[in-house]
Amino acid sequence: AQKVTQAQTEISVVEKEDVTLDCVYETRDTTYYLFWYKQPPSGELVFLIRRNSFDEQNEISGRYSWNFQKSTSSFNFTITASQVVDSAVYFCALSEILTGGGNKLTFGTGTQLKVEL
Amino acid sequence: EADIYQTPRYLVIGTGKKITLECSQTMGHDKMYWYQQDPGMELHLIHYSYGVNSTEKGDLSSESTVSRIRTEHFPLTLESARPSHTSQYLCASSEYSPGETQYFGPGTRLLVL
Repeated sequence: AQKVTQAQTEISVVEKEDVTLDCVYETRDTTYYLFWYKQPPSGELVFLIRRNSFDEQNEISGRYSWNFQKSTSSFNFTITASQVVDSAVYFCALSEILTGGGNKLTFGTGTQLKVEL
Repeated sequence: EADIYQTPRYLVIGTGKKITLECSQTMGHDKMYWYQQDPGMELHLIHYSYGVNSTEKGDLSSESTVSRIRTEHFPLTLESARPSHTSQYLCASSEYSPGETQYFGPGTRLLVL
């Protein structure tokens, strides 16, 4: 069975600090997809990034960067120069292919990030 | 940018009432999903659909039912609400290809008294 572990339940930082959110996954599939979503207090899930198992290149998007390492089954997320607006729960998710097509997401338990002034 | 809508956003209702949570998407996605999320908890898949007239149960057992009569519409119904159904319900959709990104609606927060 697939599993996603986000060991950090809650992280508090001061604005402008860098912060890394950890994600470790387990799967027997050779082809899989990893995702990060942001859930602000309003409740919606906002898609941040999708990465397939064959692409281990790190990605940077503005203040966000992602480090994918198959050797350690990790897909960590770093926010550089954090801002108060980054305060949210962040979920890492792993895609499992369903019979008949499409995918099911297995979510981690989320990391609550609090950025304070 | 995702175009997926859920109504109502908030619902407070008494035990025993029948409720329908609406979900619509304008992206033409074949696949749609319902997740249940308790406060501060992970999301669990309760229903999904491959397309029109297709519905499947997810991992988490749920007393709710779903229907998919139109591609863009995937409502969830509780015939008799109970306090144990209090939760947030999130709808999502994706293209048909494996591994495609699921885009989520804003969610419905349900409180059953």
